Amino acid sequence: AQTVTQSQPEMSVQEAETVTLSCTYDTSESDYYLFWYKQPPSRQMILVIRQEAYKQQNATENRFSVNFQKAAKSFSLKISDSQLGDAAMYFCAYRTTGTASKLTFGTGTRLQVTL
Amino acid sequence: DVKVTQSSRYLVKRTGEKVFLECVQDMDHENMFWYRQDPGLGLRLIYFSYDVKMKEKGDIPEGYSVSREKKERFSLILESASTNQTSMYLCASSSAGRGFWSLSEAFFGQGTRLTVV
Repeated sequence: AQTVTQSQPEMSVQEAETVTLSCTYDTSESDYYLFWYKQPPSRQMILVIRQEAYKQQNATENRFSVNFQKAAKSFSLKISDSQLGDAAMYFCAYRTTGTASKLTFGTGTRLQVTL
Repeated sequence: DVKVTQSSRYLVKRTGEKVFLECVQDMDHENMFWYRQDPGLGLRLIYFSYDVKMKEKGDIPEGYSVSREKKERFSLILESASTNQTSMYLCASSSAGRGFWSLSEAFFGQGTRLTVV
């Protein structure tokens, strides 16, 4: 069974600084998708960034980038120039390909952004 | 814009009641999911469906059932609600398969906070 592990329950970063959130996963598949979702206090889950396993290039979306290490099964999220609006729960997620594809989440990391 | 709508944002039910949580999506997505979210446990998959009338158990299906009679609607049913089912419930939908990679992400509803007393 696929599992997703986020070992940092809470992280804190100062405004304008950079922070990295960790995620590891376990799978026997060779092709899959990885995601980072953000959940602000409003509870609405928002996609931050996604990565397809066969692509070696790390995904980037503005201030958000990932470090995807397929052999190590690691998928960390780097937030640059942190802003107060980045404060939220961040969830790493894994999804298999195919018709009946499950979407599995980690336990989340709560990010605080301080002035 | 993709919209996933859950029927209630807050719900209070009594122990032993049968509870229906409804979820509707408007993007003709094949896949739909029900999760429960608890502090420190993240999102745990209860059930998912990859087609009308098709369902698969997730990681914690005990005490729950689901129904998908129409493609756009996925219902979660608590046959006899118990206090340990007090939680946040999230519904999500997504398209299926590699051919729709750009839409492989899941879109979420706003969540239903269920309290069983």
